[in-house]
Amino acid sequence: NAGVTQTPKFQVLKTGQSMTLQCAQDMNHEYMSWYRQDPGMGLRLIHYSVGAGITDQGEVPNGYNVSRSTTEDFPLRLLSAAPSQTSVYFCASSSLDRGRRGYTFGSGTRLTVV
Amino acid sequence: LAKTTQPISMDSYEGQEVNITCSHNNIATNDYITWYQQFPSQGPRFIIQGYKTKVTNEVASLFIPADRKSSTLSLPRVSLSDTAVYYCLVGDMHNAGNMLTFGGGTRLMVKP
Repeated sequence: NAGVTQTPKFQVLKTGQSMTLQCAQDMNHEYMSWYRQDPGMGLRLIHYSVGAGITDQGEVPNGYNVSRSTTEDFPLRLLSAAPSQTSVYFCASSSLDRGRRGYTFGSGTRLTVV
Repeated sequence: LAKTTQPISMDSYEGQEVNITCSHNNIATNDYITWYQQFPSQGPRFIIQGYKTKVTNEVASLFIPADRKSSTLSLPRVSLSDTAVYYCLVGDMHNAGNMLTFGGGTRLMVKP
């Protein structure tokens, strides 16, 4: 029962580098999303997807790209890392009927940009 | 999107009942109220969800008055392991295209 798996757990990037944060779920959930959480703050929605081939922007999409080629995977790409993107990133998934059990979250990726 | 307001922090002692209230004056007809719990270095975890009146599960109760402009998460007989941040979310749970936003949450500290 893997649920939502995020890799890597930790990452240090230099300013200007690019990287992809991976997210995979094995619950056949249609909905997937990415949040960032800054120290002492709540979660802010970056991008979300309601199914393969469909993505949309959240509250703070600038500097990030996503794609959804399969139901299982929803990678988040940082195009040119900036210190302001230092944060903990959480991936979440749910069935389209979120009235059942809400979101299932991954354990997070802690990213530091120096 | 319905904005929510919660207390920033609360203290309690082991064995006590804890009630955390969330205000959501602009809640829409199709919106549900959902509460999540988050421990340090972990993702949030679903606790309970409701639409109106009272909902109870094995870990908590959720009280929603008739006007639905607020809700109260009730944790019976808390223990040290209930120390966490609790988030109240309001949104249309049956519309996956509807964005759900997290506020700052309530930081609960349970003391021995």
